[in-house]
Amino acid sequence: DSGVTQTPKHLITATGQRVTLRCSPRSGDLSVYWYQQSLDQGLQFLIQYYNGEERAKGNILERFSAQQFPDLHSELNLSSLELGDSALYFCASSHEQGSPLHFGNGTRLTVT
Amino acid sequence: AQSVTQLGSHVSVSEGALVLLRCNYSSSVPPYLFWYVQYPNQGLQLLLKYTSAATLVKGINGFEAEFKKSETSFHLTKPSAHMSDAAEYFCAVSAYSGNTPLVFGKGTRLSVIA
Repeated sequence: DSGVTQTPKHLITATGQRVTLRCSPRSGDLSVYWYQQSLDQGLQFLIQYYNGEERAKGNILERFSAQQFPDLHSELNLSSLELGDSALYFCASSHEQGSPLHFGNGTRLTVT
Repeated sequence: AQSVTQLGSHVSVSEGALVLLRCNYSSSVPPYLFWYVQYPNQGLQLLLKYTSAATLVKGINGFEAEFKKSETSFHLTKPSAHMSDAAEYFCAVSAYSGNTPLVFGKGTRLSVIA
């Protein structure tokens, strides 16, 4: 058990809809990272937060947004969903730069 | 910018044989290097990490990796494969300093044949 909790495990929704994915980091970890995993793109970094502030941005679409709350949990919001957004979305946390990332078990999003 | 290339999307070995998974990295600054393993329907688990303390890094489950700066490589090995090693393996790199998240390779699926 990595200590990183992601909910829900599975999400099935229709095109055009909006969903929210939630992540609770490991106790003591201040950084939260979001990754998207798909068969064709592999693991793509989306965004990182550190203690509530955005720290780094990767290949995140404008339709996607995220935030980290004072209790350090994070949410990833995906809107105007398209079929191509179907993927596994992972949250990871770490204590500091260079520390190993600890991954949750992911949320599998299916857009129909 | 950092990048990782994993040679071979699928590697198949016999049980008891040597496992060798290849990873080459590109980094303009001294890197942190990692190997992660992903079992079906699970998240990624850290196998081992290189942070410049020693070029040969030992990880969990009998895996180890050697950092070779001259070859910009960080290959993962295990002397004797076990059926339970069948999984997807990812190499990843981040900058030693600065604020860069992990960049992952495409992954290598390891199959172990009885």
